[in-house]
Amino acid sequence: KQEVTQIPAALSVPEGENLVLNCSFTDSAIYNLQWFRQDPGKGLTSLLLIQSSQREQTSGRLNASLDKSSGRSTLYIAASQPGDSATYLCAVRPHALAAGNKLTFGGGTRVLVKP
Amino acid sequence: KAGVTQTPRYLIKTRGQQVTLSCSPISGHRSVSWYQQTPGQGLQFLFEYFSETQRNKGNFPGRFSGRQFSNSRSEMNVSTLELGDSALYLCASSLAVSGATDTQYFGPGTRLTVL
Repeated sequence: KQEVTQIPAALSVPEGENLVLNCSFTDSAIYNLQWFRQDPGKGLTSLLLIQSSQREQTSGRLNASLDKSSGRSTLYIAASQPGDSATYLCAVRPHALAAGNKLTFGGGTRVLVKP
Repeated sequence: KAGVTQTPRYLIKTRGQQVTLSCSPISGHRSVSWYQQTPGQGLQFLFEYFSETQRNKGNFPGRFSGRQFSNSRSEMNVSTLELGDSALYLCASSLAVSGATDTQYFGPGTRLTVL
């Protein structure tokens, strides 16, 4: 059974610092891994998707890496801003036809960027 | 292009009642998945529908059911509501064309409170 863990559960940094968010998963047989952002009481916003064959994916200030063999992904957010304050979730999609589109989520890391 | 929409956004029910939630996917998306989010359990997969067929189901009791219509819109139903069903219910849609690159897009959610 796939388990996804995100440590730490919460993180507080001063504005301008780089953010490093970690995600680990137990089963390396995945199609892809997605990073999401969730603001309080809201839905999820997709940030980046990394295919299992890729090592990293970049979008603006965001960079996500994937090491499938060790079951780890890291999301880097450069030069953090107060608007980056949110909960960040990673989710993996298993590499199995029977699993369809089912995503297994980590518990999330709640980020606070202080001005 | 309109995003995933969910109705209603907020709902208050009493124990024993039943409820129906609706999700309209992004135009052209054929897969709709449902998730339950609670503070204690995080995000948990309920089920996925693809071309009007349930393709995958999570570990929830039979009180939770769903369906998908020919226009890809989906509904989920919860019967005999319990206090523990209070949660944010999220719907996600995807093209479901390629497993590795298939990004899932989430709606804003329906906040269900059971009294």
